[in-house]
Amino acid sequence: SQQGEEDPQALSIQEGENATMNCSYKTSINNLQWYRQNSGRGLVHLILIRSNEREKHSGRLRVTLDTSKKSSSLLITASRAADTASYFCATERGGADGLTFGKGTHLIIQP
Amino acid sequence: DAGVIQSPRHEVTEMGQEVTLRCKPISGHNSLFWYRQTMMRGLELLIYFNNNVPIDDSGMPEDRFSAKMPNASFSTLKIQPSEPRDSAVYFCASSVSSGGADGELFFGEGSRLTVL
Repeated sequence: SQQGEEDPQALSIQEGENATMNCSYKTSINNLQWYRQNSGRGLVHLILIRSNEREKHSGRLRVTLDTSKKSSSLLITASRAADTASYFCATERGGADGLTFGKGTHLIIQP
Repeated sequence: DAGVIQSPRHEVTEMGQEVTLRCKPISGHNSLFWYRQTMMRGLELLIYFNNNVPIDDSGMPEDRFSAKMPNASFSTLKIQPSEPRDSAVYFCASSVSSGGADGELFFGEGSRLTVL
């Protein structure tokens, strides 16, 4: 079953604008990860945030985590056409569980 | 490093045929994951191995699916007999892990399966 759920399902913005995607999950987690998938390709890891962290940055990416609300957000600043892709959040609950993915947000950057 | 290597990239087969998908993880990675991606269900974890041992196969749809990891550098996912509803993209991923998925997963490019 899906643990994470991304919102919105699709997002279209102009190049240069910021893009924000949200992820909600149901149970407590050890870490939350964000991945990108270009059309017809495999997923690529973007960033991992642990349950005891609240915010993390990597280049133009900013991820926040609110464990009390069981939610995370991914912000891409100064978007580029090359950022067009699907973005997935994935949660890891610890123990023997694997990584569970949401259904993703499809982001389109209009040039 | 060559990354995670999957074969075949595309497979078209007829219902009832056996399908074998192959995966070579990144050298030194000790966890390997098989996922299935469809439009309807998204990415589903089928099974994962840690140090060549299956840890969680609760996502394997039914007895028609089986997975093996005979050594640290090779895994197979077999479907026998295949059905049209098995049509999907199957991804293999590997990571360095202490047991679960506590680190970054590296994905292959996927095997797109079409069952007619």
